[in-house]
Amino acid sequence: GQQLNQSPQSMFIQEGEDVSMNCTSSSIFNTWLWYKQDPGEGPVLLIALYKAGELTSNGRLTAQFGITRKDSFLNISASIPSDVGIYFCASNSGYALNFGKGTSLLVTP
Amino acid sequence: DTAVSQTPKYLVTQMGNDKSIKCEQNLGHDTMYWYKQDSKKFLKIMFSYNNKELIINETVPNRFSPKSPDKAHLNLHINSLELGDSAVYFCASSQEISGGSKETQYFGPGTRLLVL
Repeated sequence: GQQLNQSPQSMFIQEGEDVSMNCTSSSIFNTWLWYKQDPGEGPVLLIALYKAGELTSNGRLTAQFGITRKDSFLNISASIPSDVGIYFCASNSGYALNFGKGTSLLVTP
Repeated sequence: DTAVSQTPKYLVTQMGNDKSIKCEQNLGHDTMYWYKQDSKKFLKIMFSYNNKELIINETVPNRFSPKSPDKAHLNLHINSLELGDSAVYFCASSQEISGGSKETQYFGPGTRLLVL
């Protein structure tokens, strides 16, 4: 499948800080999705983006679908300890999801 | 009620054994999937299945086979288990919408397979 380059690989921040992560690809996509995986659980959808330029929020989370359709970012504002987990970007490859390698987030109180 | 459930949650077995992992979804979705997550947390599609077609990732060994007794279940059978099969296996489901594209995928809690 098409490769999604996700960065950073990991982040170690203090509670209250804002976080930004992004995903890029050499291919054009019609959908960008952001999932979070808590330790010992399956991925859970946070935000789905379907249109180039679209900016969508879900509580303290904001994600944007890049205008070139080749990238997306996810911001988390005022992080809290329960934001800990692995965040994955994903695109729809036609028959399944194609995932980035994840950003591991650690938040200290 | 759990939307997508998998059993068992943990599976420890010897090399060479044959094992199955079960998946059930109560969302009424028509498409189900199996993903493999390796030790580096990389998630990779193994199979996509609905009542019309099975799509297999060409990198998946034929020791792995999905079996769907009905629309709500997609089980994963693994023959002759190898050490490298150790991973977390996730089942997921989604609803196909018009034009053939898929709606959001919902994931199960995962099955942690350890082959000794």
